[in-house]
Amino acid sequence: DTEVTQTPKHLVMGMTNKKSLKCEQHMGHRAMYWYKQKAKKPPELMFVYSYEKLSINESVPSRFSPECPNSSLLNLHLHALQPEDSALYLCASSRPGLNSPLHFGNGTRLTVT
Amino acid sequence: DQQVKQNSPSLSVQEGRISILNCDYTNSMFDYFLWYKKYPAEGPTFLISISSIKDKNEDGRFTVFLNKSAKHLSLHIVPSQPGDSAVYFCAANREGGTSYGKLTFGQGTILTVHP
Repeated sequence: DTEVTQTPKHLVMGMTNKKSLKCEQHMGHRAMYWYKQKAKKPPELMFVYSYEKLSINESVPSRFSPECPNSSLLNLHLHALQPEDSALYLCASSRPGLNSPLHFGNGTRLTVT
Repeated sequence: DQQVKQNSPSLSVQEGRISILNCDYTNSMFDYFLWYKKYPAEGPTFLISISSIKDKNEDGRFTVFLNKSAKHLSLHIVPSQPGDSAVYFCAANREGGTSYGKLTFGQGTILTVHP
């Protein structure tokens, strides 16, 4: 069982919808991440939160809006997405500091119609 | 510009034998390397990592070797088991600074272990 929990597991949304992806961890990690993985491609970083503050935004379009309400939760708010945004969205967490591996959740499979 | 490369898309091994997965990188600033295993419909699972100050790290059946001069690392699985069949990703990071937490992944190698 993964210690990073993501909900929902699957999401289908239209281009005019607003939805949110949720991620939760109880490992005491103070760094949390959103990655995006397209089919047959490696994961790519979207956002990094460190101590609940956004530290890295990899030039992600504003239709993706991250939020870190507390040290255990990470959300990704979605609005006006495009079909090419369909992908597996992975949340991860780690201890801050050097040489700390990222622990991933099982992801949300997003389909934009 | 692919900074982390796994040149073998797939590898097939007999149960009980050694599996060797390879990874090359081009960015000399990378100083922390990780291997992840991924089953279908699941997220990547952390296996083992190595810091650039070491050349070998071992954890049970898994050993990672790092050759900094060649910018090459490998994952050895001994003995291989059918449950090891999965996609294996090599990842690299430059610790500290603004690159914190930014893993660069290779394209992955599909390992199949036959009974």
